[in-house]
Amino acid sequence: AQSVAQPEDQVNVAEGNPLTVKCTYSVSGNPYLFWYVQYPNRGLQFLLKYITGDNLVKGSYGFEAEFNKSQTSFHLKKPSALVSDSALYFCAVRRGSSNTGKLIFGQGTTLQVKP
Amino acid sequence: ETGVTQTPRHLVMGMTNKKSLKCEQHLGHNAMYWYKQSAKKPLELMFVYNFKEQTENNSVPSRFSPECPNSSHLFLHLHTLQPEDSALYLCASSQEGGDRVMDTQYFGPGTRLTVL
Repeated sequence: AQSVAQPEDQVNVAEGNPLTVKCTYSVSGNPYLFWYVQYPNRGLQFLLKYITGDNLVKGSYGFEAEFNKSQTSFHLKKPSALVSDSALYFCAVRRGSSNTGKLIFGQGTTLQVKP
Repeated sequence: ETGVTQTPRHLVMGMTNKKSLKCEQHLGHNAMYWYKQSAKKPLELMFVYNFKEQTENNSVPSRFSPECPNSSHLFLHLHTLQPEDSALYLCASSQEGGDRVMDTQYFGPGTRLTVL
């Protein structure tokens, strides 16, 4: 069965510091991995995805994520956090061979960036 | 913003009411989804439609009834709901099928539903 774990309910960082939001996954076959962000009272916004190729994926708003197959991880990173990055972040996985579009989401991590 | 719109944005209903949520996508996609987002719980996939055909129903109670009249529109009909059905209901769309590299799901802003 597919699953996604985001081990931290909340991550706190100071503005200007690097941030990491962790994600590990379990899926049979090749994974397709995604990060989404949700601001209060809004839907999910797509940040980036890994399908194949370079393990370091760059996305919107200066975010990037590194796919690590041996550790089954896909951590979200940003070199310098902004207060405006404060939001709820979701990692999601899909089995690569699936054609149903079914995404499995983690429970979400709240990122709090303090000035 | 993302090409997926949802109406209404907020809905309060009694347990005996019947209401419908509407979703429209302007992205030319062929698949649409309903998700439920409750506090402290991961997003739950409810229904999937590919080319207007329902391909997934994740054991959703029959008081939720989806309808997909065409690939751009998706409805969720609600009747005799329970207070525990109060949540944010999110619609998404994507382009699926064949040997395409899987496309991304794009989400609407959601409908905040409160059942009294």
